[in-house]
Amino acid sequence: DAKTTQPTSMDCAEGRAANLPCNHSTISGNEYVYWYRQIHSQGPQYIIHGLKNNETNEMASLIITEDRKSSTLILPHATLRDTAVYYCIVRVSTGGTSYGKLTFGQGTILTVHP
Amino acid sequence: EPEVTQTPSHQVTQMGQEVILRCVPISNHLYFYWYRQILGQKVEFLVSFYNNEISEKSEIFDDQFSVERPDGSNFTLKIRSTKLEDSAMYFCASRGLNQPQHFGDGTRLSIL
Repeated sequence: DAKTTQPTSMDCAEGRAANLPCNHSTISGNEYVYWYRQIHSQGPQYIIHGLKNNETNEMASLIITEDRKSSTLILPHATLRDTAVYYCIVRVSTGGTSYGKLTFGQGTILTVHP
Repeated sequence: EPEVTQTPSHQVTQMGQEVILRCVPISNHLYFYWYRQILGQKVEFLVSFYNNEISEKSEIFDDQFSVERPDGSNFTLKIRSTKLEDSAMYFCASRGLNQPQHFGDGTRLSIL
């Protein structure tokens, strides 16, 4: 799976959009970008994933650059409860012989302040 | 919304004892996983399980570890003879076909 690079930490004001970047310059054509977050003492929580098109769900939006070498997770209106470690993970499709293990890095510590 | 449940939330065990961590994956999911997270460190993959057999395992998952799906609903991780360095949060995850993994809230294992 391709390596990802994320900033160690970021701050965001409550109510504002949080934009979390991720670089994955060695991503290959069959690799998806996944985002998870981990709120203190809880298990990782799935947020969103995408291959090349931008994606949106009830939690967030995922913007993937045209060359797929980087992406941004957007939390449109951050709340205090969004304070967490956010992980960007690149991995191959779950089809074929891949059984889908996730390789976590250190992630970005997002702190949302009042 | 269906969720992965893990029991117990906290397990304290003497070094050298056997411990079994239990997980109930989301119903109808086909793929099952265990991860661990030592305090202050990254989440690490241990093992994946599909079709009643291990499909992939990491270097951490040595002969002291085993997994089992004893019935249609439970998925267990057993550590035969625990060591101090086994102290960690252990997370179970499951997913359906072509779906993302969903994690439980973990079991905190403390080895004394």
